[in-house]
Amino acid sequence: EAQVTQNPRYLITVTGKKLTVTCSQNMNHEYMSWYRQDPGLGLRQIYYSMNVEVTDKGDVPEGYKVSRKEKRNFPLILESPSPNQTSLYFCASRLTNGDTQYFGPGTRLTVL
Amino acid sequence: GQSLEQPSEVTAVEGAIVQINCTYQTSGFYGLSWYQQHDGGAPTFLSYNALDGLEETGRFSSFLSRSDSYGYLLLQELQMKDSASYFCAVSDDSWGKFQFGAGTQVVVTP
Repeated sequence: EAQVTQNPRYLITVTGKKLTVTCSQNMNHEYMSWYRQDPGLGLRQIYYSMNVEVTDKGDVPEGYKVSRKEKRNFPLILESPSPNQTSLYFCASRLTNGDTQYFGPGTRLTVL
Repeated sequence: GQSLEQPSEVTAVEGAIVQINCTYQTSGFYGLSWYQQHDGGAPTFLSYNALDGLEETGRFSSFLSRSDSYGYLLLQELQMKDSASYFCAVSDDSWGKFQFGAGTQVVVTP
């Protein structure tokens, strides 16, 4: 089944404890992206990657890191999480010239 | 930068037609997309417009006017399952950087 998977789906952590949210897609998509969703603010793009080893900042990259070493994986790294990073996170992928972004199921992160 | 405006909520009865408007201000523009999101779920793609005009996909249609920086999503023959949030999204010239509107909550009543 063609899909985007994220792990973990739920995470409660404490301020300053480094964490990684994984994202993987099995559709051979070149483009991948991370978003965060907060009430009343819609989806805001954190980072995106047009292909392997190519990443760019979205609108809210502060406090996050990404890497794209393989085509299928695009992990999101929070080196020192803070409470303002408590949010619902979505990973998405699409073909380079495709119009459809396919979203993962989301990761609900709480930073205490 | 980019900014998008869409109404926060629309209520309509089953079988009715709903239009969700989206106006945008961008420093570069590649296309306007629409996504649907049910409570607790992931956004799913509905429609995309790169050129002016109407795109029809079943009960859903989307329109774009590049000169007016305006688009809309038209939901016809509303069904209860259409109760969800709808987001417009624009991309800059790179087709990589996206910005989403805050979303429109559509409530369908019997």
